[in-house]
Amino acid sequence: GNSVTQMEGPVTLSEEAFLTINCTYTATGYPSLFWYVQYPGEGLQLLLKATKADDKGSNKGFEATYRKETTSFHLEKGSVQVSDSAVYFCALSESGSYIPTFGRGTSLIVHP
Amino acid sequence: DAEITQSPRHKITETGRQVTLACHQTWNHNNMFWYRQDLGHGLRLIHYSYGVHDTNKGEVSDGYSVSRSNTEDLPLTLESAASSQTSVYFCASSEQRGGYGYTFGSGTRLTVV
Repeated sequence: GNSVTQMEGPVTLSEEAFLTINCTYTATGYPSLFWYVQYPGEGLQLLLKATKADDKGSNKGFEATYRKETTSFHLEKGSVQVSDSAVYFCALSESGSYIPTFGRGTSLIVHP
Repeated sequence: DAEITQSPRHKITETGRQVTLACHQTWNHNNMFWYRQDLGHGLRLIHYSYGVHDTNKGEVSDGYSVSRSNTEDLPLTLESAASSQTSVYFCASSEQRGGYGYTFGSGTRLTVV
């Protein structure tokens, strides 16, 4: 079956530091990959996505590249802000499915 | 603007009581989902529906039920609330396969005492 593995958190950084949150996946087919973000007290929101190998998704300064050879989709941001403090979820979805498989989430805490 | 709303935002109930959590979406999506979120477990799928009168069990469906009488609503019922069901519950909806357009509500925090 499909699975998504994320690095355990919390990840604690100072403002303007470089961020990497690792995500690897196992899938039977050729899935689309997603990063969702959950701010405190809110539901998940789609942050970015990539639909095929070597695609780069980007949004709000965050980027992730679909690496088929390493089955990875690591989230990066060059300079984090306090407002980026949230829980980040990696997810995959097979093209024929309505239901994504989510990772367990990684909490990011950014200090001023 | 289209939206997905959950109510109540917070609920405290006693063990053994029946509780219903509401989910209402105005996206006109056919597909609706209920998840629970717990520390150390991430999101776990409870029930889902692909359209009116369709319901399906997810990975943690025991003790929960849903019904779909129209496109907009998928209420989640806890038949006899247990302390193990203390959690944050999220409703989501989508239209397309492949996980696109997956929209979440803001959640209901349920405490069973």
